[in-house]
Amino acid sequence: AQKVTQAQTEISVVEKEDVTLDCVYETRDTTYYLFWYKQPPSGELVFLIRRNSFDEQNEISGRYSWNFQKSTSSFNFTITASQVVDSAVYFCALSEAHTGNQFYFGTGTSLTVIP
Amino acid sequence: GAGVSQTPSNKVTEKGKYVELRCDPISGHTALYWYRQSLGQGPEFLIYFQGTGAADDSGLPNDRFFAVRPEGSVSTLKIQRTERGDSAVYLCASSPGLAGLQETQYFGPGTRLLVL
Repeated sequence: AQKVTQAQTEISVVEKEDVTLDCVYETRDTTYYLFWYKQPPSGELVFLIRRNSFDEQNEISGRYSWNFQKSTSSFNFTITASQVVDSAVYFCALSEAHTGNQFYFGTGTSLTVIP
Repeated sequence: GAGVSQTPSNKVTEKGKYVELRCDPISGHTALYWYRQSLGQGPEFLIYFQGTGAADDSGLPNDRFFAVRPEGSVSTLKIQRTERGDSAVYLCASSPGLAGLQETQYFGPGTRLLVL
């Protein structure tokens, strides 16, 4: 079973629009971490955020914000006022305490921002 | 400082050949990870090193895959008798290895392997 589901395969938005990328996870652990990475066309995964299971506070970093809701097992990512440079594939990942250090990645959401 | 580096960036080989992929982690990072990313998919875990030892190799698909990290820094992923299905991007990541579990992993640019 997929531990991390990113149901949106591809999204296109016009520049300056807001966009939300969905991430739903599945785990039986009470201690776990969630991550978001950006993969631009160059291919390198760029770390965006790390959140532990005990901290449900939403986080904002510039135009990026994250909404963590344990009740729905979701960790959604919103880009406000999108820019062309935001075009990339975005991955959500889960790391569980009992399975150690391996990350479980979703299948990614390809975001295209149209100028 | 320098990030994770991987060589070669691209590798084309023929079915049945042996290949080695190299990863140089961020200086001082004791934890090192290998992942494989197929087209249109997310990375899939292969193996994790803490220092010189493989702490978790549960993701290696079969015994044709092997990885080493003899001095606790550079790691080499070795694939014997390559098959066309091995074609993918092989990603390496490292983390400090100090805080225990669930550290942020920092990824290299990957090696694109194509088996003809």
